[in-house]
Amino acid sequence: DQQVKQNSPSLSVQEGRISILNCDYTNSMFDYFLWYKKYPAEGPTFLISISSIKDKNEDGRFTVFLNKSAKHLSLHIVPSQPGDSAVYFCAAGVGSNYKLTFGKGTLLTVNP
Amino acid sequence: EADIYQTPRYLVIGTGKKITLECSQTMGHDKMYWYQQDPGMELHLIHYSYGVNSTEKGDLSSESTVSRIRTEHFPLTLESARPSHTSQYLCASSIQDNSPLHFGNGTRLTVT
Repeated sequence: DQQVKQNSPSLSVQEGRISILNCDYTNSMFDYFLWYKKYPAEGPTFLISISSIKDKNEDGRFTVFLNKSAKHLSLHIVPSQPGDSAVYFCAAGVGSNYKLTFGKGTLLTVNP
Repeated sequence: EADIYQTPRYLVIGTGKKITLECSQTMGHDKMYWYQQDPGMELHLIHYSYGVNSTEKGDLSSESTVSRIRTEHFPLTLESARPSHTSQYLCASSIQDNSPLHFGNGTRLTVT
């Protein structure tokens, strides 16, 4: 039973445009959400997080939106750059890191 | 930048061999984790440590074992490797619960 779903295995965007990566979850107990970025042959790198008391969190070009009623979160990257090309993982937890549940990831390709 | 190191990066080994995957961090983090990831799939937590002499199994059942004798060191051992153990193993640490995980670059294990 997949509790965190990233339904788009891949996404291709032109440089300078907006990239929107989506994530759905089924467990209403999740109250802590994170996005990680992973380049080939490297470990995931933390990007941005949001707690359930917020509906938006911004860090530079990266913004995460949380819609609790729809159990949906999205990561917006504006403007997209070729260096953003990577696999993006959505993860969710209940109050702590101990049992983070990850999605399968979305491969983002930003074309110059 | 996170300082967490995993060795070896790649390992090809025959069935029945005993292997130890090394993980060290220099950040003094109490919490350490082992995740397993197959290509195109989610990361699954297989082991967790709160601190020295404290280890727990994660959600995904694993035949591997771990030890935490020193804060900075969290090795994972497979007593008898099998082809079903072929996967990528990612080590991570965090300063406390609810803070981002810092991942190593992983060990890609192939058991023939």
